[in-house]
Amino acid sequence: QVRLQESGPGLVEPSETLSLTCAVSGYSISSDYYWGWIRQPPGKGLEWIGSTHHSGNSYFNTSLKSRVTMSVDTSKNQFSLKLISVTAADTAVYYCARLSIPAGAFLDYWGQGTLVTVSS
Amino acid sequence: EGGLTQSPATLSVSPGERATLSCRASQNVGSNLAWYQQRPGQAPRLLIYGASTRATGIPARFSGSGSGTEFTLTISSLQSEDFAVYYCQQYNNWLTLTFGGGTKVDIK
Repeated sequence: QVRLQESGPGLVEPSETLSLTCAVSGYSISSDYYWGWIRQPPGKGLEWIGSTHHSGNSYFNTSLKSRVTMSVDTSKNQFSLKLISVTAADTAVYYCARLSIPAGAFLDYWGQGTLVTVSS
Repeated sequence: EGGLTQSPATLSVSPGERATLSCRASQNVGSNLAWYQQRPGQAPRLLIYGASTRATGIPARFSGSGSGTEFTLTISSLQSEDFAVYYCQQYNNWLTLTFGGGTKVDIK
């Protein structure tokens, strides 16, 4: 069974960097699947942040591209998200998920999500 | 690229009744559309992919149809656990994924 678990600070100060990690169990992150981050502001809908692959390929939402980096650590079977220069608008529940590529870029396994609040 | 509009925003249905949810794409996405269910306080769960294929473990009362720009999710007989928010997602261009705004199905 594939399991994903997000971790990271629940509170980040404005202008600082948001850093989250997603630990994957039950499946090798070195497979051909892509791995993604999605966020959901309180009471709002879902927003795709970006997708990454162990090869180093990454693709980002154009609205966030200038502030986002993603990486994969195959030795720890986990992948990470960094979002710089955060503001209150970045307050959201952040989910990690697996993209079922090559079948299609739908998200078949999700983490439980972690709330990140941007506030001083 | 691939804007998705879901309607209605809220759908009030009685248990046992049928619910029909709509997702319209601004551009042709073929059959590259998925549906997710999100219960309060939980992560989204994949229901349908390829517009009409049920994901593993999803009950047969959930069905998806459509292609191109018009898609429908039908729940044939609503159970108590089906009252939730439903999102569509296009992956025709898998380098840029987009979600619809969601439809909340609540108890009438």
